[in-house]
Amino acid sequence: NAGVTQTPKFQVLKTGQSMTLQCAQDMNHEYMSWYRQDPGMGLRLIHYSVGAGITDQGEVPNGYNVSRSTTEDFPLRLLSAAPSQTSVYFCASALVGGTGLPQHFGDGTRLSIL
Amino acid sequence: QQPVQSPQAVILREGEDAVINCSSSKALYSVHWYRQKHGEAPVFLMILLKGGEQKGHEKISASFNEKKQQSSLYLTASQLSYSGTYFCGTDIPGAGSYQLTFGKGTKLSVIP
Repeated sequence: NAGVTQTPKFQVLKTGQSMTLQCAQDMNHEYMSWYRQDPGMGLRLIHYSVGAGITDQGEVPNGYNVSRSTTEDFPLRLLSAAPSQTSVYFCASALVGGTGLPQHFGDGTRLSIL
Repeated sequence: QQPVQSPQAVILREGEDAVINCSSSKALYSVHWYRQKHGEAPVFLMILLKGGEQKGHEKISASFNEKKQQSSLYLTASQLSYSGTYFCGTDIPGAGSYQLTFGKGTKLSVIP
């Protein structure tokens, strides 16, 4: 019972490099989301998806791209990494229903941009 | 608009009670509560929907006062395992609960 799996767990990039953070869930959840968490801050929503082929922007989408070609996968792409994108990134998923969205989080990816 | 959580930090002895508040300047449809232990992922505790219903999770309960645009998390007879940072998430008006704005968190430390 894997839940939400994020890879890699740690990554160091140089400014200007691009990379993809992977997120997969095996719970058949329609809703998936990406957050970043910075010291002293809460979680800030980057992008989210309510199903395959459907994505939308959250609070801080600039510099990030997403796509959702399958229910299971929701990768996050950094187009040209900047030091301001140094953060811990969490992916989450939830079953869409009438009682809100109880989100299941992955273990996070710790990303450093030099 | 990020909800405001208070207090920012609290230290309890085992068995003591605590209240964590979450306030918003905007009308709310729902409030979500999560707990995050250091170095780990946030874990879902409960959701409160419009209606002022009180919910519970073990010895942790919460209330939602939509008129005051405020939710409170009540931790009774605290245990060492309750230590962590508690976050409330509020929905963005018009976007529903698909988009949550989280507070900065309340760090709870329970000591023996």
